[in-house]
Amino acid sequence: AQTVTQSQPEMSVQEAETVTLSCTYDTSESNYYLFWYKQPPSRQMILVIRQEAYKQQNATENRFSVNFQKAAKSFSLKISDSQLGDTAMYFCAFMTLFYNNNDMRFGAGTRLTVKP
Amino acid sequence: SQTIHQWPATLVQPVGSPLSLECTVEGTSNPNLYWYRQAAGRGLQLLFYSVGIGQISSEVPQNLSASRPQDRQFILSSKKLLLSDSGFYLCAWNRDGDSGNTIYFGEGSWLTVV
Repeated sequence: AQTVTQSQPEMSVQEAETVTLSCTYDTSESNYYLFWYKQPPSRQMILVIRQEAYKQQNATENRFSVNFQKAAKSFSLKISDSQLGDTAMYFCAFMTLFYNNNDMRFGAGTRLTVKP
Repeated sequence: SQTIHQWPATLVQPVGSPLSLECTVEGTSNPNLYWYRQAAGRGLQLLFYSVGIGQISSEVPQNLSASRPQDRQFILSSKKLLLSDSGFYLCAWNRDGDSGNTIYFGEGSWLTVV
């Protein structure tokens, strides 16, 4: 079974500082995608960043970057220069590609609070 | 550009009443469509997915059902709601090979069964 584990239920960070959210996953597949989604109080799920497993280079999107360690099955999210608007639930997600089914699994989430 | 809408945004229904949540996607064709449920303080649970009109796969046996009467329309239904059906429901879509198969979500629907 494929599982996604986020071991940090809650985290906080001071505005302008850097925070890292952890995610590990378990799979026997070699081809897959990894995602981080943000869910602010509005509950809208917003894609933050995406990583293809076959790419060794870590993905970056402005202040967001990942540390993808394929052998360790680890996919952490680093948020630099944290802003108050980054306060949200963050979900790590894992997707394998099967015929007629994009099987995406989510972690339980990490609640991040950015303090002024 | 592609957009996804679902409605109603908020719903309060008595136990035993029927349910219909609707979702439509615009700006694309032949999308994969999904219904997820998020219980309070929890992650997302996949309920149904569809790869085409009339093709529905269920992940979790329950008193909910889904239908896809048109290419870009996905409906979540129940004949008789249970208290345990309360939660936040999210419709989502993606297309094979597009944007790394990224799944995009609708705004969500809050269902409270009383």
